[in-house]
Amino acid sequence: GDSVTQMEGPVTLSEEAFLTINCTYTATGYPSLFWYVQYPGEGLQLLLKATKADDKGSNKGFEATYRKETTSFHLEKGSVQVSDSAVYFCALSVLTGANNLFFGTGTRLTVIP
Amino acid sequence: DTAVSQTPKYLVTQMGNDKSIKCEQNLGHDTMYWYKQDSKKFLKIMFSYNNKELIINETVPNRFSPKSPDKAHLNLHINSLELGDSAVYFCASSQMDGYTFGSGTRLTVV
Repeated sequence: GDSVTQMEGPVTLSEEAFLTINCTYTATGYPSLFWYVQYPGEGLQLLLKATKADDKGSNKGFEATYRKETTSFHLEKGSVQVSDSAVYFCALSVLTGANNLFFGTGTRLTVIP
Repeated sequence: DTAVSQTPKYLVTQMGNDKSIKCEQNLGHDTMYWYKQDSKKFLKIMFSYNNKELIINETVPNRFSPKSPDKAHLNLHINSLELGDSAVYFCASSQMDGYTFGSGTRLTVV
């Protein structure tokens, strides 16, 4: 079946540190891959996405590359800020049937000054 | 001009009650969903609707029933609420691989 395995948190970093949150996937078809972010007390926001192999999604300094050979979509940011503190979710969808979005378990990031 | 709106934002109710959460999208999307987020932040799909037809119904108790009066609305009705139903419920809509989520409804059953 379709699933996402995400690095468990919580992750605590100092401001300006480098961030990596690992995400790997299993899919029966050709998935689109997403990173969503949930700030404290808020809903889910799309952070970035990639729809085919070798695509790189980027937004707000975050990047993730769709790696078909390693079935991965790791999230990276070169220099995190306190305002990046949130829960990050990796997700996939396959454009068949219900077109559901399957989420990883989420990784809580806390950035300290 | 909110894309996906759900109401209420907060809902506190007693065990055994029946409640509904409403969701509306103005994006013209064909598919709508309900997700449940538990206390550990895990997100699980409950239902998806495409053009008023239920496409998939995961292992959700039949106390939960989605109701879609039209393509722009997908409401969630819950009968005989239990303590374990306490969670945040998110509505979403999609077209191809573009998903938009509502801001969530925090349900607390006491």
